[in-house]
Amino acid sequence: DAGVIQSPRHEVTEMGQEVTLRCKPISGHNSLFWYRQTMMRGLELLIYFNNNVPIDDSGMPEDRFSAKMPNASFSTLKIQPSEPRDSAVYFCASSLVTGYTDTQYFGPGTRLTVL
Amino acid sequence: EDQVTQSPEALRLQEGESSSLNCSYTVSGLRGLFWYRQDPGKGPEFLFTLYSAGEEKEKERLKATLTKKESFLHITAPKPEDSATYLCAVHPAGGSEKLVFGKGTKLTVNP
Repeated sequence: DAGVIQSPRHEVTEMGQEVTLRCKPISGHNSLFWYRQTMMRGLELLIYFNNNVPIDDSGMPEDRFSAKMPNASFSTLKIQPSEPRDSAVYFCASSLVTGYTDTQYFGPGTRLTVL
Repeated sequence: EDQVTQSPEALRLQEGESSSLNCSYTVSGLRGLFWYRQDPGKGPEFLFTLYSAGEEKEKERLKATLTKKESFLHITAPKPEDSATYLCAVHPAGGSEKLVFGKGTKLTVNP
């Protein structure tokens, strides 16, 4: 199994630009999570999808952030416009069953730098 | 508010020197507690899930234990390849129920 796949692995952009992060979950997994990791705040959940439907987006910081899951094998996290404070590592994770109880398998992350 | 505090922030050990990492939590109810290992430049890798006080789980040189207020990750005779950041997360009962992560303990094992 290839595991969770994320692209790009590194992204450097300028303030005000649009950024799109991509994720392919493990085949057969029904839940998908987007996290952000910073030194100050640690790992924080941004949004959780179950069967391609957003269930909990309470962690999305503001309207500049949006996430979609058009099908079971693909999700995107978009930031528009990007700001320097968005610089962080963004992780996608998937799990087999509904909810937070099951083990979450993380991708390698996308390191975002906004200049 | 649900909170997870891990200590120490960083720990340096000599190879073979056993020690423990602490994860203390404040939640209204606990559905489960997770331990993850994170290597530099990689995503967290699942280690254990504990569900109730008194439960213990082992994997190679690692043993995780759980009480009503905290969890310990015991490392016995560590090797340099055990060097990583260890993250603790709680799955609270009630509210949004999303996982709440601690900031981790960075473990360095010197040969």
